[in-house]
Amino acid sequence: SSELTQDPAVSVALGQTVRITCQGDSLRNYYANWYQQKPGQAPVLVIYGKNNRPSGIPDRFSGSSSGNTASLTITGAQAEDEADYYCDSRDSSSILVFGGGTKLTVL
Amino acid sequence: QVQLVESGGGVVQPGTSLRFSCAASGFTFSNYGMHWVRQAPGKGLEWVAFVSYDGSSKYYADSVKGRFTISRDNSKNTLYLQMSSLRAEDTALYYCAKDLGTLSSSWIFDYWGQGTLVTVSS
Repeated sequence: SSELTQDPAVSVALGQTVRITCQGDSLRNYYANWYQQKPGQAPVLVIYGKNNRPSGIPDRFSGSSSGNTASLTITGAQAEDEADYYCDSRDSSSILVFGGGTKLTVL
Repeated sequence: QVQLVESGGGVVQPGTSLRFSCAASGFTFSNYGMHWVRQAPGKGLEWVAFVSYDGSSKYYADSVKGRFTISRDNSKNTLYLQMSSLRAEDTALYYCAKDLGTLSSSWIFDYWGQGTLVTVSS
């Protein structure tokens, strides 16, 4: 089955820019979507498709993609952005697959 | 506002069955596909199943195919997951999630419930 690979943990200084990546063969054909999950809470969609933000998501969140890698960028990270971030995408064989998640720490 | 409220989780023995539900409100339920996504304790997210807005199409993860059945009752605005032959590895928090697409399938989860916990243990 296809896989999406994410770095387990990433840290960023308050107010700085951080990029969280997601790699996988399926990303050559499908866009990644990104979800934020804070402890004890359900995931929240933050980026979907090419680079779309749902209503209520700050514009410091953006998405991009190149080849087999999708990226979620937070420009000017805030303390409240500390969370786990998951990418997912369609996959021709597995239908939909999630990455393993990245724990973002804001220092 | 959109609300998804799961119920029916619990502790069950391996090999048994369980059905739980997700009550939807705040949107036209019959216009949207719905998903189940699960998360084992301390682990990542795993997509489980999808049902189209009208119930005509259903898809399952390989890990649950043949054991789990997703269904919906649009007259009751309710989504269901029937689980059978449960295994210890099915232990997880099960979320229902609304698909973003209207009368279509986007495979994007724009709203999530708070989840219902299923523990499979002898």
